Amino acid sequence: GAVVSQHPSWVICKSGTSVKIECRSLDFQATTMFWYRQFPKQSLMLMATSNEGSKATYEQGVEKDKFLINHASLTLSTLTVTSAHPEDSSFYICSSREQGGSSPLHFGNGTRLTVT
Amino acid sequence: AQSVAQPEDQVNVAEGNPLTVKCTYSVSGNPYLFWYVQYPNRGLQFLLKYITGDNLVKGSYGFEAEFNKSQTSFHLKKPSALVSDSALYFCAVRDMESGSGNTGKLIFGQGTTLQVKP
Repeated sequence: GAVVSQHPSWVICKSGTSVKIECRSLDFQATTMFWYRQFPKQSLMLMATSNEGSKATYEQGVEKDKFLINHASLTLSTLTVTSAHPEDSSFYICSSREQGGSSPLHFGNGTRLTVT
Repeated sequence: AQSVAQPEDQVNVAEGNPLTVKCTYSVSGNPYLFWYVQYPNRGLQFLLKYITGDNLVKGSYGFEAEFNKSQTSFHLKKPSALVSDSALYFCAVRDMESGSGNTGKLIFGQGTTLQVKP
């Protein structure tokens, strides 16, 4: 089945630094990838939809200058948390799906970001 | 507006007993429905989906779900629970509005923690 690989699985960084998270589709072409954020014991909150070769679409309330998304190829999308602060600490998950109207989303294993 | 509701924050069941995790939805038109499972500090794993056809859908790890159009429900079931089934379960419906029907964007319920005790 379709596999989405996400790296790193966890990262600790200092306040003010930037962190890049990579999401790769290993055996299919992903024209669209979704970036989610999940707080403890809560559901997934969609942050943005990244589209290969074009600008990402951000959900309301998500700062596009803080959460930079790049989707330069059909197999790679990146999320960069710029000037991270402790409140950015969270679990970030990417997902994508194969082409086809009813294909399910496949998720990466997530990245646990801790900002100190 | 489209939405998914999982009315139970937590479901407790004894190992070997049947389990049900509830989900109701609200969408316009025919829904595309999904169930996912999440283990601690991991991404979501796809369990099963309903698109069309037979109302009873069978999925991974012995799970199944029943689509009920009149009750707008899609409850997840398993005849005999295992301790290893303990996890967080999400019901989701595909967003068919906002011009996003072709991207596969999903609307998730709030999640239900399943606790299976030995």
